[in-house]
Amino acid sequence: SQQGEEDPQALSIQEGENATMNCSYKTSINNLQWYRQNSGRGLVHLILIRSNEREKHSGRLRVTLDTSKKSSSLLITASRAADTASYFCATEGNFGNEKLTFGTGTRLTIIP
Amino acid sequence: DAMVIQNPRYQVTQFGKPVTLSCSQTLNHNVMYWYQQKSSQAPKLLFHYYDKDFNNEADTPDNFQSRRPNTSFCFLDIRSPGLGDAAMYLCATSRAGGEEQYFGPGTRLTVT
Repeated sequence: SQQGEEDPQALSIQEGENATMNCSYKTSINNLQWYRQNSGRGLVHLILIRSNEREKHSGRLRVTLDTSKKSSSLLITASRAADTASYFCATEGNFGNEKLTFGTGTRLTIIP
Repeated sequence: DAMVIQNPRYQVTQFGKPVTLSCSQTLNHNVMYWYQQKSSQAPKLLFHYYDKDFNNEADTPDNFQSRRPNTSFCFLDIRSPGLGDAAMYLCATSRAGGEEQYFGPGTRLTVT
């Protein structure tokens, strides 16, 4: 069964506003990662947060992880038109088998 | 620049005609992955190699096979493509024990 579910499925905001997307998962994890995918392209790794971490920052990105609720959120501050893309969370289980399970994704549109 | 390269970017094949997609990497990573991604869906792992060790996902159809002749190259063979196999195929790599995955740009497969 699919590990991650993302919410919302689609999000449209004005340029300059903040965008928040959420990810829920079902089983214990080693880490959770966020990826961006521009239309028709491959995925680009954004940030990784480990199961013993609660918050992580990278530039305009802020990721939180709540293992008790099995959920994570990705905040993009001061959005830009170039942030328009699909965003996927992906979890690595704690089996040490090198695999990621991807969530359903959030389609983010930034309106100039 | 170190990268993951996929060829071709677009592939059209006929129903039932075997097709091979290729992936190469200059990152010298131990692990290589093949994902299938259908429109507006999450990437779905088909199989991965840890060095020469092949790991097939339980629900990957027998129609899909893979070869990894050396560290740098990995191939996806679809023996008898059906219309349902039309999708984006993504190759990714990661370091042994590392968690971040590096994706190629993908190959868009069309089956006529």
